[in-house]
Amino acid sequence: DVKVTQSSRYLVKRTGEKVFLECVQDMDHENMFWYRQDPGLGLRLIYFSYDVKMKEKGDIPEGYSVSREKKERFSLILESASTNQTSMYLCASRGLAGGQDEQYFGPGTRLTVT
Amino acid sequence: GQNIDQPTEMTATEGAIVQINCTYQTSGFNGLFWYQQHAGEAPTFLSYNVLDGLEEKGRFSSFLSRSKGYSYLLLKELQMKDSASYLCAVFSGGYNKLIFGAGTRLAVHP
Repeated sequence: DVKVTQSSRYLVKRTGEKVFLECVQDMDHENMFWYRQDPGLGLRLIYFSYDVKMKEKGDIPEGYSVSREKKERFSLILESASTNQTSMYLCASRGLAGGQDEQYFGPGTRLTVT
Repeated sequence: GQNIDQPTEMTATEGAIVQINCTYQTSGFNGLFWYQQHAGEAPTFLSYNVLDGLEEKGRFSSFLSRSKGYSYLLLKELQMKDSASYLCAVFSGGYNKLIFGAGTRLAVHP
């Protein structure tokens, strides 16, 4: 029972390319998040959205933008990819499940920028 | 500032019990999550504590003390498949952002 899906598991892009990472959730959650995960640094929040068309910057938004046109879909955009954006990107959505607040992650996209 | 500390690595023996500690200093607190993450995979939800005390879920238990800014994850009857990273994360801030520690890599040996 897959709840959060991401458009690609692995992606290789060239420096300067525009990159789109898509995330879809089927749990009707309001809150969705984009993180990147790097060795030794843990998970860092890039952007999040608490409603359609609403977005807020996380801790490391520079070089990224997001789009939330539909409740179930949250896209991360790298306007001009750079090598320091090589990372694992994880999407998550959060809401109540059985009365308890839970956050579910997608499988991740490993992006390599050459 | 926001700070979440966990040990970087731990080792344990199959069948034993291990406790992974997490201390946090955050501006606001609305709950604490523990996640398990196997290498190359996404984190999976283990537990959520919002009140002080112990929450038990099968072989895994999680404890919270809000006054001490402290939590631990207790894993009993360790199995080889429990070798993974364990992430502590705190709900903080006006939009309930989830802030993660760097994770504890647990290696279970026969």
